[in-house]
Amino acid sequence: ETGVTQTPRHLVMGMTNKKSLKCEQHLGHNAMYWYKQSAKKPLELMFVYNFKEQTENNSVPSRFSPECPNSSHLFLHLHTLQPEDSALYLCASSPGQNPRKLFFGSGTQLSVL
Amino acid sequence: DQQVKQNSPSLSVQEGRISILNCDYTNSMFDYFLWYKKYPAEGPTFLISISSIKDKNEDGRFTVFLNKSAKHLSLHIVPSQPGDSAVYFCAAGPHSGGSNYKLTFGKGTLLTVNP
Repeated sequence: ETGVTQTPRHLVMGMTNKKSLKCEQHLGHNAMYWYKQSAKKPLELMFVYNFKEQTENNSVPSRFSPECPNSSHLFLHLHTLQPEDSALYLCASSPGQNPRKLFFGSGTQLSVL
Repeated sequence: DQQVKQNSPSLSVQEGRISILNCDYTNSMFDYFLWYKKYPAEGPTFLISISSIKDKNEDGRFTVFLNKSAKHLSLHIVPSQPGDSAVYFCAAGPHSGGSNYKLTFGKGTLLTVNP
């Protein structure tokens, strides 16, 4: 148990669907992140939230919409995705005083048909 | 262009021998480096880190070496164990922290330790 829980673990959706990924951290951290891992590519940072405020949007298409209602919860709302968006989506958190040390969830394996 | 490169997609070693995983970086602003380990169906977990003020950091069987002039770091695992079989990610970041701090990851190297 890493202290960062992601649901669902697997998701299959059509291009016209709307779905949401959920992340919850039980570590008391101030910062939360969404990363994308595509096959044979490095982990790509998508969004950063620090004390519920978005501090980074790494040029992510608007079909990905993050939401951070509090420091413990992070959502990624998905709509009209493309097949190339199929990937492993990882949530992470970090202590505010040490943003280098990330604690990852197990990820959501997303397939867009 | 990739700023953190792990040029070996995979590595296979015998149990008990040394595993050496390599990582190269191009950004001179990087001065903090980390290794993460990832098992299938799990998220990456932090393994070991090194700051640019050091050239070596050791934690049990794991040692990270940093060669700043060559912009190269390596992870040594001695002795290797079957449980070490996983994907290893190299990551790098600048010195200063703050809310906009970002880590840049490599593609990962799949290590297989054979019994």
